[in-house]
Amino acid sequence: DVQLVESGGGLVQPGGSLRLSCAASGFSFSSYWMSWARRAPGKGLEWVANIKQDGGDKNYVDSVKGRFTISRDNAKDSLYLQMSSLRVEDTAVYYCVIGGHLDNWGQGTLVTVSS
Amino acid sequence: DIQMTQSPSSLSASVGDRVTITCRASQAIRNELGWFQQKPGKAPKRLIYGASTLQGGVPSRFSGSGSGTEFTLTISSLQPEDFATYYCLQHNTYPFTFGPGTKVDIK
Repeated sequence: DVQLVESGGGLVQPGGSLRLSCAASGFSFSSYWMSWARRAPGKGLEWVANIKQDGGDKNYVDSVKGRFTISRDNAKDSLYLQMSSLRVEDTAVYYCVIGGHLDNWGQGTLVTVSS
Repeated sequence: DIQMTQSPSSLSASVGDRVTITCRASQAIRNELGWFQQKPGKAPKRLIYGASTLQGGVPSRFSGSGSGTEFTLTISSLQPEDFATYYCLQHNTYPFTFGPGTKVDIK
């Protein structure tokens, strides 16, 4: 079965950093684009970033450009989101998603940015 | 950025009702649109991709149509498990953008 398990969420102060991880199993990870999406409390879904199979192409929503970095390790079947200069408005459940077009979602990890 | 709008923003319906949700894009996106369902406390689930292709395992009462700037999601006979919030997503142009959602609840 396809599994995506996110980890690394938690409480962080504004301006701080956090690294999210996603452990993938049950499919050929290296064959797929991978994405991150989020949902802030009381808000709708937002696409955050995606990364090509070989890591050579990365795309971001404007609000996180220069602050977040998506990366992957195909040898470890893992996806990452390095988040820095975090803002209160980055508070959300972050989802790891298979595919560039958000085919299949993990259960998410909560990131809370608050002082 | 491409702006996505959905109508209605919410609706109340009964089991067995036919439900139609509309999604509009601020510019043409061909058929590069997906529909997603999210229930409280759960991860989103893609129902339809390519505007009209049903994701594997999704019941056939769900259907999608449209191209260009106007799209619809139809549930032919609403079931109790369908009460949820539905979102459209355009993946024609970066940044990909979701519609604001349509909440479907019980009448």
